[in-house]
Amino acid sequence: DAMVIQNPRYQVTQFGKPVTLSCSQTLNHNVMYWYQQKSSQAPKLLFHYYDKDFNNEADTPDNFQSRRPNTSFCFLDIRSPGLGDAAMYLCATSSLMTGADNEQFFGPGTRLTVL
Amino acid sequence: AQRVTQPEKLLSVFKGAPVELKCNYSYSGSPELFWYVQYSRQRLQLLLRHISRESIKGFTADLNKGETSFHLKKPFAQEEDSAMYYCAPVTQGGSEKLVFGKGTKLTVNP
Repeated sequence: DAMVIQNPRYQVTQFGKPVTLSCSQTLNHNVMYWYQQKSSQAPKLLFHYYDKDFNNEADTPDNFQSRRPNTSFCFLDIRSPGLGDAAMYLCATSSLMTGADNEQFFGPGTRLTVL
Repeated sequence: AQRVTQPEKLLSVFKGAPVELKCNYSYSGSPELFWYVQYSRQRLQLLLRHISRESIKGFTADLNKGETSFHLKKPFAQEEDSAMYYCAPVTQGGSEKLVFGKGTKLTVNP
């Protein structure tokens, strides 16, 4: 089945130690998103790629970076994780081709723990 | 500022009772609105979109521009409807972005 895959599902890192989360998709969608979801809160958009164009949200900390080497893959890099960065990180995709709507397809998420 | 409000953080009903999850928005023009659902241990997924005016799993949602609301309704709740529900309009000026409300956790009791 075409889908959005996130690896790993659980990631533990140490305070200040860089960490990379990965997302891949087989939907061939042109837009990929990264959200941060803290406990009992709504998903918060960090940034998204529209094809190769990177779009950062104004309030996303500089500590968070992203890479999209090709259509299928997108990475979230946290350069120096703090305790406040512990959260579920969701990857999503959508297709904004003519005639398609804005439905976003979500991965299962990666739960990040910072020790 | 563009905003979406889900006033109820928690909603509990009994099986077979009607349920309404409220959503209000403060967008000008004609917003495009969605309801997303997250069942326990499952990924976030689209429940329904206002432009299709469809009923999914017995749920419907009507866009009321006068009241700026997009409430989600089901006449007879089922236990399997227990989940987290998010109202999400598309942001204006960037049609590819959603803004999620804070969500309502629905519990349907037997």
